[in-house]
Amino acid sequence: DTGVSQDPRHKITKRGQNVTFRCDPISEHNRLYWYRQTLGQGPEFLTYFQNEAQLEKSRLLSDRFSAERPKGSFSTLEIQRTEQGDSAMYLCASSLPPRLAGTRDTQYFGPGTRLTVL
Amino acid sequence: DAKTTQPNSMESNEEEPVHLPCNHSTISGTDYIHWYRQLPSQGPEYVIHGLTSNVNNRMASLAIAEDRKSSTLILHRATLRDAAVYYCILRVLTGFQKLVFGTGTRLLVSP
Repeated sequence: DTGVSQDPRHKITKRGQNVTFRCDPISEHNRLYWYRQTLGQGPEFLTYFQNEAQLEKSRLLSDRFSAERPKGSFSTLEIQRTEQGDSAMYLCASSLPPRLAGTRDTQYFGPGTRLTVL
Repeated sequence: DAKTTQPNSMESNEEEPVHLPCNHSTISGTDYIHWYRQLPSQGPEYVIHGLTSNVNNRMASLAIAEDRKSSTLILHRATLRDAAVYYCILRVLTGFQKLVFGTGTRLLVSP
């Protein structure tokens, strides 16, 4: 079990550019989540996948944001036309299928991608 | 989502016990109480969870009030590695479940 990995760990971009982040979940986890965390705040939910299906999207996920999980394994989060307000830590988490998760239902988080928009 | 209230920060000395409180006065009968913590420059990690009874694991203990309107995470002997932000989260484990984080309690541990 290598844990959840995210790439890149840091991204600096200029306003207006597009950026894409990748998340590789734990291999047997079919559920995948994206969260965003700004300084001094707890993470905020963005979107959720079960296998390749995107089942939930937060209203925080504007039209400039798109997430995919094409084969039910890794996921990508793209931000188009970045704005300075997009600067944050983007966290990915994964969890077991519900039938295996029990009441603990732990979400395992990756180390995050820190985005800085200049 | 039911809300939780935690102190912004707490301080402890190394090797002393730490009691981190959480108020959740609007908790419903099906809400589980989960605790996660976030070490510096890392994603959050699960600590412990419970429903009604007190719970122990290798990381911590969770004491739940009889009326379930509050709970306390107990670190029996704080170490420097326990310095983190601790989040108390209520979860109903049916269907889709996101984690709803508040601002948590920042625990500072002094040598």
